[in-house]
Amino acid sequence: GIQVEQSPPDLILQEGANSTLRCNFSDSVNNLQWFHQNPWGQLINLFYIPSGTKQNGRLSATTVATERYSLLYISSSQTTDSGVYFCAVGGFQKLVFGTGTRLLVSP
Amino acid sequence: DTGVSQDPRHKITKRGQNVTFRCDPISEHNRLYWYRQTLGQGPEFLTYFQNEAQLEKSRLLSDRFSAERPKGSFSTLEIQRTEQGDSAMYLCASSLVIDEQFFGPGTRLTVL
Repeated sequence: GIQVEQSPPDLILQEGANSTLRCNFSDSVNNLQWFHQNPWGQLINLFYIPSGTKQNGRLSATTVATERYSLLYISSSQTTDSGVYFCAVGGFQKLVFGTGTRLLVSP
Repeated sequence: DTGVSQDPRHKITKRGQNVTFRCDPISEHNRLYWYRQTLGQGPEFLTYFQNEAQLEKSRLLSDRFSAERPKGSFSTLEIQRTEQGDSAMYLCASSLVIDEQFFGPGTRLTVL
């Protein structure tokens, strides 16, 4: 089955710093989503981005489907950005998740 | 517009007992998915429905697990004869066909 790798596994930032999270996947996909999991376990949708570039406030994402990777950019990080970020990919059915990037933003 | 809801949010049970979880998807969504997440891992796919038809089941879904979506609306996931290894967060998601999946808050199961 498809493999998803996320890097880095852990990231510690000072408030205000920028960061880039990476997601590599092993096969062509029709669906790619980025999520933020809050401390209560809720998965919050950030981007639905099987290809191209999208921006939403301080967050943006780019997927290069032909090269099988996606990047999530966080600018001017805030303490509320802390949590686990997941990339998930798939066809038109199930999603396969990576193991996540655990982000800690300190004041 | 309400999101995906799950009930209960937490369940503590003793080994060997049966448990049932409920998921109510976003109202117009015809696909409903179940995932399981253990500590430190990403969610793993269990099964999904399109309307009332169960179209795929993971090999993670042993014979003790059964899922239903009887009228194509809400779904239930039942675990029979629970084991300590079943302790996890059970997540439900819904979508339109060929579209973004939205997740519920999850049911956290602890098997003592």
